[in-house]
Amino acid sequence: SVLTQPPSVSAAPGQKVTISCSGSSSNIGNNYVAWYQQLPQSAPKLLIYDNNKRPSGIPDRFSGSKSGTSGTLGITGLQTGDEADYYCGTWDSSLSAYVFGTGTKVTVL
Amino acid sequence: QVQLVQSGAEVKKPGASVKVSCKASGYTFTTNGVSWMRQAPGQGLEWMGWIRISVYDSNTRYEQKFHDRVTITADTSTSTVYLELRSLRSDDSATYYCARHDGASSWYPFDYWGQGTLVTVSS
Repeated sequence: SVLTQPPSVSAAPGQKVTISCSGSSSNIGNNYVAWYQQLPQSAPKLLIYDNNKRPSGIPDRFSGSKSGTSGTLGITGLQTGDEADYYCGTWDSSLSAYVFGTGTKVTVL
Repeated sequence: QVQLVQSGAEVKKPGASVKVSCKASGYTFTTNGVSWMRQAPGQGLEWMGWIRISVYDSNTRYEQKFHDRVTITADTSTSTVYLELRSLRSDDSATYYCARHDGASSWYPFDYWGQGTLVTVSS
């Protein structure tokens, strides 16, 4: 993967976690970042698009931001139902391909 | 409501081909692009290719590593997108997902996903 994420993050219920997504000028630096949530044994689901926008139905506990060649997903008020794998994604203009991050497993302690 | 419903699980022998379908409903089929991704067991998501659907002619783009083994097509009469993968190897064993782009082009995010199709390649 051309986008790097931490393998795992964890926190207690009610706390906050942040997940970073590091790329380059050919991908995050010049394109929008999206975030996808994949619950166990399920298809991915769009969580954040255009760096910081939430689709209808996604609670405002989830937020996104972008700075330079990195994107960040934040989850506040952590719940057991948030335990999942999270992937960042964006278009890579040099590869002419959609690229995903390496994925981050969120564990609620 | 938008739905993408994929065909069922497949078991194939090495060297064979597989064709997975993705039937769309709940929106105008030609408005949005569709991509295929795959996910090997315990691994991350991998983009394979995209199709821009038109009643006249469709455009495709493929990830370089699959370029000579993958074909993505669309049937506008049934609102179905197909993924064909040829010369299967054991490392092609994965769950394959179709997903709709939030726009016609391949750089838009994926707003709806199919349920996934498990393809197992084994002798």
